Amino acid sequence: AQSVTQLGSHVSVSEGALVLLRCNYSSSVPPYLFWYVQYPNQGLQLLLKYTSAATLVKGINGFEAEFKKSETSFHLTKPSAHMSDAAEYFCAAGTASKLTFGTGTRLQVTL
Amino acid sequence: KAGVTQTPRYLIKTRGQQVTLSCSPISGHRSVSWYQQTPGQGLQFLFEYFSETQRNKGNFPGRFSGRQFSNSRSEMNVSTLELGDSALYLCASSLSGKWDEQFFGPGTRLTVL
Repeated sequence: AQSVTQLGSHVSVSEGALVLLRCNYSSSVPPYLFWYVQYPNQGLQLLLKYTSAATLVKGINGFEAEFKKSETSFHLTKPSAHMSDAAEYFCAAGTASKLTFGTGTRLQVTL
Repeated sequence: KAGVTQTPRYLIKTRGQQVTLSCSPISGHRSVSWYQQTPGQGLQFLFEYFSETQRNKGNFPGRFSGRQFSNSRSEMNVSTLELGDSALYLCASSLSGKWDEQFFGPGTRLTVL
């Protein structure tokens, strides 16, 4: 069974600083990988997805993620954090109709 | 295009009761998936329906069931509610499922007293 590990349940960065949220997956076959964002009292919104077409995936709102098979990782980055990026971020693996989620990382952005 | 809608948004029930949650997918989407989100267990997959048939199922007891109608709307039912069923239940729809983007609804917050 697939599992997804997100290191760090809380990450705090200053506005303008680099955002790095970590995700590792456990699977003998690289699955499809996704990053979702959840704002308070809302559902999840897809940021980006990896489907084996390219290892560097660009998403919405300036986020991108790099798939590294040797490290079984799919870390999410954004060069410059904005206050509006404060939310909870979930890494997920599997097919779009059946996803296994990580436990989430709450991103705090400070002035 | 209207997004995924879930009704009701909030629900309070007592132990032993049953509850039905509803999800209306985006027009044209035929796949509907359900997830349970709790602080302790995180986001867990319940089941997925496609063209009125359950296509995938997670590891939840039989008290959790669902169905999908011919218009792709889906309902989820939980019988004999337990305190641990308190959660945010999220519904997501996609065109055909497997490799398409899932669009999530705002969720139904269920509180079991």
